[in-house]
Amino acid sequence: IAGITQAPTSQILAAGRRMTLRCTQDMRHNAMYWYRQDLGLGLRLIHYSNTAGTTGKGEVPDGYSVSRANTDDFPLTLASAVPSQTSVYFCASSDSTSTDTQYFGPGTRLTVL
Amino acid sequence: GQNIDQPTEMTATEGAIVQINCTYQTSGFNGLFWYQQHAGEAPTFLSYNVLDGLEEKGRFSSFLSRSKGYSYLLLKELQMKDSASYLCAVMDSNYQLIWGAGTKLIIKP
Repeated sequence: IAGITQAPTSQILAAGRRMTLRCTQDMRHNAMYWYRQDLGLGLRLIHYSNTAGTTGKGEVPDGYSVSRANTDDFPLTLASAVPSQTSVYFCASSDSTSTDTQYFGPGTRLTVL
Repeated sequence: GQNIDQPTEMTATEGAIVQINCTYQTSGFNGLFWYQQHAGEAPTFLSYNVLDGLEEKGRFSSFLSRSKGYSYLLLKELQMKDSASYLCAVMDSNYQLIWGAGTKLIIKP
């Protein structure tokens, strides 16, 4: 593994189903983030984690949950998917939550029908 | 509220120079980032400005004026591979990035 990986690459999901998007980084970064990117809008922060064991809410957290059991992994769960959650989801990491550069994974394209 | 404004789309010619502007209004300021994003790919870091002035990095330069809430990204000697979206993002007082919607740059031969 080099950098940040995300899985799956893409997914079509029926409304009401539960889905977990996976994110793993091998840079030993302390901070990790989940964003969604929608056409015509800037990236919007869903949840973040400053360090293993802690998480925080971003701009658009409703309908999503995260956990940070260790440094490397930061899964994002949609408990009951709705069509408005159709988006491209990016995971990112940085050495800290100060002004350090954020590095992005390749993204997961999620379609909820 | 917090707001980042940048043009939706720009067109330029291969070999030319283009300037992409970004204006911002945010709760606090801890620096401004520019990212490049090719279609279907992840954003990649280009530059970071926290002090006023120009930062030059090869063909790309980024300028910041904190008093005006303004930045620009200058791309010189444009190449076809520079066709991408360019994202402006400001780190606010909570150290969260506020993102603009991006400027799609189209390079014509």
